[in-house]
Amino acid sequence: GDSVTQMEGPVTLSEEAFLTINCTYTATGYPSLFWYVQYPGEGLQLLLKATKADDKGSNKGFEATYRKETTSFHLEKGSVQVSDSAVYFCALSGGLEETSGSRLTFGEGTQLTVNP
Amino acid sequence: KAGVTQTPRYLIKTRGQQVTLSCSPISGHRSVSWYQQTPGQGLQFLFEYFSETQRNKGNFPGRFSGRQFSNSRSEMNVSTLELGDSALYLCASSLDTTSGLQETQYFGPGTRLLVL
Repeated sequence: GDSVTQMEGPVTLSEEAFLTINCTYTATGYPSLFWYVQYPGEGLQLLLKATKADDKGSNKGFEATYRKETTSFHLEKGSVQVSDSAVYFCALSGGLEETSGSRLTFGEGTQLTVNP
Repeated sequence: KAGVTQTPRYLIKTRGQQVTLSCSPISGHRSVSWYQQTPGQGLQFLFEYFSETQRNKGNFPGRFSGRQFSNSRSEMNVSTLELGDSALYLCASSLDTTSGLQETQYFGPGTRLLVL
């Protein structure tokens, strides 16, 4: 079945450091890929998405490129802020070529802490 | 436009009891999905409802059930609660799943259930 693997956390960085959180996936067909962020005590917020190979999703300085050849969707940000401290989840949906529904398969989540 | 709302936000129950959680999707969204989040298992898909019909179902026992009303609001029910059911239950809505495309899901803040 479909699966998502994220780099193990937690990740601790200083403010203005470069961030990379690795994400690889296993799926048949042409899944859509997502990054969600969860702040303490809250639900999930969509950070960015990409729906086909070579698409780049971007939002709030974060970027991720859909790489079908390496089945990856790594999250990057050039300069992190304290306010970026949260848990980040990589996810996919639509792993089959023809499907219905919006079932998401999530990675384990990566806790990011940014220190001033 | 108002986001996904979930009620109640917090709930404490004892083993053997049952519980009903409610979710109101974003206006115009027709698909509602439910997820369970626990520290040990991460985010797991429970089920998805579309047009009052269950479209997809995750790997959970029959004690977990749901339904969707004609206004797209959804409820999930857990009967005969067990300690392991303690979790954050997240509801997500999406616009339309009839196109075969993978629609983005938008999450509510969750209901935190504690089973004693």
